[in-house]
Formats: sequence, structure tokens, C-alpha cells
Amino acid sequence: DAGVIQSPRHEVTEMGQEVTLRCKPISGHNSLFWYRQTMMRGLELLIYFNNNVPIDDSGMPEDRFSAKMPNASFSTLKIQPSEPRDSAVYFCASSLGQGKNTDTQYFGPGTRLTVL
Amino acid sequence: AQSVAQPEDQVNVAEGNPLTVKCTYSVSGNPYLFWYVQYPNRGLQFLLKYITGDNLVKGSYGFEAEFNKSQTSFHLKKPSALVSDSALYFCAVRGGSQGNLIFGKGTKLSVKP
Repeated sequence: DAGVIQSPRHEVTEMGQEVTLRCKPISGHNSLFWYRQTMMRGLELLIYFNNNVPIDDSGMPEDRFSAKMPNASFSTLKIQPSEPRDSAVYFCASSLGQGKNTDTQYFGPGTRLTVL
Repeated sequence: AQSVAQPEDQVNVAEGNPLTVKCTYSVSGNPYLFWYVQYPNRGLQFLLKYITGDNLVKGSYGFEAEFNKSQTSFHLKKPSALVSDSALYFCAVRGGSQGNLIFGKGTKLSVKP
């Protein structure tokens, strides 16, 4: 298996622009997670889905952030408009399920976002 | 609420010496605990997890972790450190029935030759 795939790996954009980050989870996995990592705040859970349904988006910082999972093999995290403080590494992770034997999360390589 | 704490920002160890990275937890109910490692410019990689049973859990790359219920700890250990073990280590606890994880702030491990 190719693992969790994220694109792009690097994104540089200007303040005010729309940014879309993409994630393809491991095939057969039913749960998908979006995280943000910064030096100041560490690793933060933004939102997660089970069976394509958003379960908890309380970590999404503002209305500028939105996430979708239109099908089991694809998710997007959108920031519109972007701001310099959104600069971070964004990780996507997936797990087989929600049970105690299936909840190990596997992370993608991340997208490094720089907003100028 | 579930939480984990990693009291050390950085741990320095000489190659060949044993290493310990500390983690304490606070949960309601049974704890499901995890360790992940992050190498520079990479995503997090799963090392091991504790669900139930033997208090000593063995994982990838020669790492193991000891679950201690009375001390609410889940320290990561390795008998002999390698320079290649230098990385950022995260402890995590399962947040609830939906399978989300709550991560600690991470501990940077530096192994010197």
C-alpha cells in the first residue's frame, strides 16, 4: 500500500488567496483526521471523519477553514482567505476504524504551507 | 477529559546508553496509549500502543514502553540508543469512542555519538 498520500507537499501562497490541501487515505480505512503542526502550538487536531461524516470539527480555528470528504478515498482541507498565521505543516492521517484494535492512525508526509 | 503530558522538552543520551522518554496520562476509564516518532520533515510514524494485558509493550525499532497504572505513566524505553533514534517523540491517548487521539507536545530526543 502506498500509505496516506497528501498533495501538494509544499505550498507557498500570498495572503488572501485560497488554499486547498488534499488527502488520499489508506484504502479500506474508515476514519480520517486532519492535523496542524507548528512550533508554537505543537500538533493540533483540526477535524476528523468517520465513514465520510465529520464527527468533530471543534479544532477548526475559524470559519476560514473548511474540510470535506466526498468519498472514502479523498478529503480536502480548504483555507479561504489564507493568512500568514496559517503557515504550518498540515498532516492527514487515517485509521481502519474506531475500535481499540483498529484505531492506530497512519500519517501522511504532510503539506508545508507558507502564507506570505 | 483525556490528556497526556510529556514533562521533558528534550532528552539527551549518548549512543549505546539506555534511553527513557517520559509520558504521564490522565483518563477516565481504561487508557489506550500510543507512542509515535517523527523524523525531520516527515509525518508521524506509529511505534507501539497499549490496550490491555502485559504492562511491557514492544514496538518498532527496538523500542518498548512500560505501562504503570499506579503512577499513570507510559514511558518509552530502549536499552541501547542509536544516533538514528534522534527524532521527535509523541505520546498519545485515545480521546473517546470515536477513535481520535490526543497528543502530547512532544519530546525531542538527541543521541550523540
